[in-house]
Amino acid sequence: EDKVVQSPLSLVVHEGDTVTLNCSYEVTNFRSLLWYKQEKKAPTFLFMLTSSGIEKKSGRLSSILDKKELFSILNITATQTGDSAVYLCAVGYRGSQGNLIFGKGTKLSVKP
Amino acid sequence: ETGVTQSPTHLIKTRGQQVTLRCSSQSGHNTVSWYQQALGQGPQFIFQYYREEENGRGNFPPRFSGLQFPNYSSELNVNALELDDSALYLCASSLDRKEGETQYFGPGTRLLVL
Repeated sequence: EDKVVQSPLSLVVHEGDTVTLNCSYEVTNFRSLLWYKQEKKAPTFLFMLTSSGIEKKSGRLSSILDKKELFSILNITATQTGDSAVYLCAVGYRGSQGNLIFGKGTKLSVKP
Repeated sequence: ETGVTQSPTHLIKTRGQQVTLRCSSQSGHNTVSWYQQALGQGPQFIFQYYREEENGRGNFPPRFSGLQFPNYSSELNVNALELDDSALYLCASSLDRKEGETQYFGPGTRLLVL
């Protein structure tokens, strides 16, 4: 059965810390891995990764995919209270007919 | 903001009732997907519509049905509501139905079934 597993499920850090969120997957015919940030309701798109070893960056956030080991990490440096959210990892696959498979998310709390 | 809108924002229904949720896709997007997100869980795929046709369906019973209109907006209908249907219902639009395409989410409708 296809699955996406995120760890840790929750994390509490202080402002200025660096965090690494993990996402591993077992999905047949992998096509892409996506990261979303969900603060209250709408997940907002962060990154889409399709190629192994190529880091994507946006400000203090970065992500990389390892297709051999079937995982991705999301790094956040110099965390701020506004980074507090649930971070969702999702995988798209060939033959999916639109389906993204999501992990349960990592709840990040950044304390002042 | 993604430009995807959903209505209503909140809804309370009782068991056995029917509900219709609405979604307007981002301009230029012809594909809409619906997801159910239970508390503490990741979103689960219900179905996707592409150019007014159902393009794929997840593991949800037939009482979950949908429509897409010529302007690519969409509806999710749920009949015979059950307590377990209480969840956040998310609509996502994408530029095309291509597999693995980035999907942009609306703010969701929170449904409570009593």
